[in-house]
Amino acid sequence: GQNIDQPTEMTATEGAIVQINCTYQTSGFNGLFWYQQHAGEAPTFLSYNVLDGLEEKGRFSSFLSRSKGYSYLLLKELQMKDSASYLCAVTDSNYQLIWGAGTKLIIKP
Amino acid sequence: NAGVTQTPKFRVLKTGQSMTLLCAQDMNHEYMYWYRQDPGMGLRLIHYSVGEGTTAKGEVPDGYNVSRLKKQNFLLGLESAAPSQTSVYFCASRTGDDTGELFFGEGSRLTVL
Repeated sequence: GQNIDQPTEMTATEGAIVQINCTYQTSGFNGLFWYQQHAGEAPTFLSYNVLDGLEEKGRFSSFLSRSKGYSYLLLKELQMKDSASYLCAVTDSNYQLIWGAGTKLIIKP
Repeated sequence: NAGVTQTPKFRVLKTGQSMTLLCAQDMNHEYMYWYRQDPGMGLRLIHYSVGEGTTAKGEVPDGYNVSRLKKQNFLLGLESAAPSQTSVYFCASRTGDDTGELFFGEGSRLTVL
């Protein structure tokens, strides 16, 4: 079967750095997405990786290793507004998106 | 910019009642999707469409029907609502590029009593 694993919940301190991991086992791979979802709101796009390596976008970076079936989202200089759920999703060989259950990130002052 | 708009935002139904959720997008996207999101679970695909006049089943299609008569609209119907269909429903769209990001509507919270 197809599976995406993420930690259920993480806690970090304002101003610090946090890394959210995502491991996947899917039938084929055509890219990996990270989305942010604030409570009661819709998911919004953060990043897309299809090749191995690190993609940096401001305070957020996303890393992919296809051989290991692994990705992480790195958030730097954490702000209170970063408190949200972070969703990992993989596009499989049929170009269908497979979603992880999401990681709830709690930021403490 | 409206983007993806869902109506209604909230609805309470009694078991056995029917209803339709409407999704409208103004970005000329080919692909449209209906997901449901339940606590502790990832987004689950109900039905999707890759173009006007086409629909296909997703991971959890039972109890739902859809139609895409116009490119900009994607309707999700519940013919006979059940308590198990209590959920938050999200519509999403993207271009015909399979690697394109999804744009989501604000969600529709449905409660079936």
